[in-house]
Amino acid sequence: DQQVKQNSPSLSVQEGRISILNCDYTNSMFDYFLWYKKYPAEGPTFLISISSIKDKNEDGRFTVFLNKSAKHLSLHIVPSQPGDSAVYFCAASPDGNQFYFGTGTSLTVIP
Amino acid sequence: DAGVTQSPTHLIKTRGQHVTLRCSPISGHKSVSWYQQVLGQGPQFIFQYYEKEERGRGNFPDRFSARQFPNYSSELNVNALLLGDSALYLCASSRTVVNSLYEQYFGPGTRLTVT
Repeated sequence: DQQVKQNSPSLSVQEGRISILNCDYTNSMFDYFLWYKKYPAEGPTFLISISSIKDKNEDGRFTVFLNKSAKHLSLHIVPSQPGDSAVYFCAASPDGNQFYFGTGTSLTVIP
Repeated sequence: DAGVTQSPTHLIKTRGQHVTLRCSPISGHKSVSWYQQVLGQGPQFIFQYYEKEERGRGNFPDRFSARQFPNYSSELNVNALLLGDSALYLCASSRTVVNSLYEQYFGPGTRLTVT
């Protein structure tokens, strides 16, 4: 049973525009959320996190929004750059340790 | 500082065989987690070890086992391999198990193919 879902397997965006990646979850016990970025032949790399006490967290070009009532989070990348092209995974956890991952969204930023 | 290292990089096994995958965490990290990533899916949690003790287990059969050594390196063992065990096996290390939210670093993975 997939508790974390990323319904868009792929996304293409022009360089300089905004990329919005979405993630939905079903378990109301999830309180910690992460976004990871993965390049081919590498392990996932931590990008940004948010806990349920916040609804927004910003780090440079990356902003994560959390809507607990809708069990939805999103990652905004502004402005998008070609180096951002990668697979993005969202992950959720009830305790900050055991994480459940989504299936990933492949982002392509077109120069 | 070296990152998380995993060996081997690639492995081909036959159904019914046994496999051992190895992971060395970042220096100073005491927790190791294992994940299975099947093609087209996200990583699925298998185990977490901290200070040589199992601290968490995902929904995997008893054919999967792991251990952590005094130097905090870890092995993942899979017995009686099935075709469905073909996947990328990822190891992640973190300094502790308390709020490891910001500190989970992944290795490059071991690609296991079962024929």
